[in-house]
Amino acid sequence: DGGITQSPKYLFRKEGQNVTLSCEQNLNHDAMYWYRQDPGQGLRLIYYSQIVNDFQKGDIAEGYSVSREKKESFPLTVTSAQKNPTAFYLCASRGDRLPNQPQHFGDGTRLSIL
Amino acid sequence: LAKTTQPISMDSYEGQEVNITCSHNNIATNDYITWYQQFPSQGPRFIIQGYKTKVTNEVASLFIPADRKSSTLSLPRVSLSDTAVYYCLVGLMIYNQGGKLIFGQGTELSVKP
Repeated sequence: DGGITQSPKYLFRKEGQNVTLSCEQNLNHDAMYWYRQDPGQGLRLIYYSQIVNDFQKGDIAEGYSVSREKKESFPLTVTSAQKNPTAFYLCASRGDRLPNQPQHFGDGTRLSIL
Repeated sequence: LAKTTQPISMDSYEGQEVNITCSHNNIATNDYITWYQQFPSQGPRFIIQGYKTKVTNEVASLFIPADRKSSTLSLPRVSLSDTAVYYCLVGLMIYNQGGKLIFGQGTELSVKP
């Protein structure tokens, strides 16, 4: 069954700690994305990657880092530099090179501060 | 990237048709219009996408006038399970442009029995 898997579903971070959110897809999609959603708000783009070993900053990249070593994986690290990390994090992927392919989303990771 | 404006909330009753209109006055020639549905604590789910005129699938219809400065998502005969937030997005989906999308606040649809 193809899809996007995010883990864990809930995550707690201590002050000064880095945490990594996992995103795996078996859709054979080239492009992958990380978004942040705050309560009652829309999604904001953190980072995106169009191809393995390449990624670009989105609108709110400060305090976050990513890697794209494999096509199916795009982990997001929330660093201690991100002072307000409490949010719902969503990963998405997008397939082939046709201009109108929509993004498909995972079910998110909710990150909270201890 | 084009900005969208849609109502913050709407109420409806089971069995009614619901129409949610989205304004996107500065839509670009290459932009597609995409609608997503999101339930609490879940990722957005793709509903429908169009470029012009009318698009229909098993879930909804999308109406786009000739000037493309607005679009209307039509949900036929809604049920309680259609209670969700609906996002209208306009963006350049071409691969080499990164497929970046801008999500607004969406429309919170509440369906009552």
